[in-house]
Amino acid sequence: QSVLTQPPSVSAAPGQRVTISCSGSNSNIGRSYVSWYQQFPGTVPKLIISDDRNRPSGTPYRFSGSKSGTSATLGITGLQTGDEASYYCATWDFSLNAVVFGGGTKLTVL
Amino acid sequence: EIQLLESGGGLVQPGGSLRLSCAVSGFNFRSYAMSWVRQAPGRGLEWVAGLNGGGDTTYYGESLEGRFIISRDNLKNTLFLQMSSLRVEDAAIYYCVKNQVSVVDAFDFWGQGTVVSVSA
Repeated sequence: QSVLTQPPSVSAAPGQRVTISCSGSNSNIGRSYVSWYQQFPGTVPKLIISDDRNRPSGTPYRFSGSKSGTSATLGITGLQTGDEASYYCATWDFSLNAVVFGGGTKLTVL
Repeated sequence: EIQLLESGGGLVQPGGSLRLSCAVSGFNFRSYAMSWVRQAPGRGLEWVAGLNGGGDTTYYGESLEGRFIISRDNLKNTLFLQMSSLRVEDAAIYYCVKNQVSVVDAFDFWGQGTVVSVSA
């Protein structure tokens, strides 16, 4: 059971918009920046959002991050089949003194 | 170009030990926190341990129960993970990751990973 809760899967059609939620608590998301990672099958995870909403160089503008209270959201607009991957949220937990990850969300572009 | 190259993975029996290494290049190693993240087959990402740039402050995931030790050699630009009392559930790909600055920050660069298998 992960400290951060993500839906196991989401799906949407090409061109549509999808959001992936990440729910935590006041000891983690409520107090620390959230980052998001994209992982294609058999490959290394890649940072796509840092500090709640910052896009590192190379992250398309179609990807966005937001946070409210103890929940964070990854948004992807103009979905492409190439976006099919697993997405993970992560943050620091001040009660555990540890990094915590969400369980991951598998995105399917129908 | 930033590079992180892990080594030291392999097959070990339950109760055994392994020492993972991660040789880095392309950035000022001592200025950044580093971590290890693992991923069991078919499972999600799990943070294992992290330490600050100086190597004198370390943090560990709850599930490790004191069996792993993270360390670094800033003269040799190398990160280590000493794993002991290994269990079947420790089998995973172990990734060496660079923090953006401190241990609470995002992981901006990842190694290719080294595979640890634990089986009798």
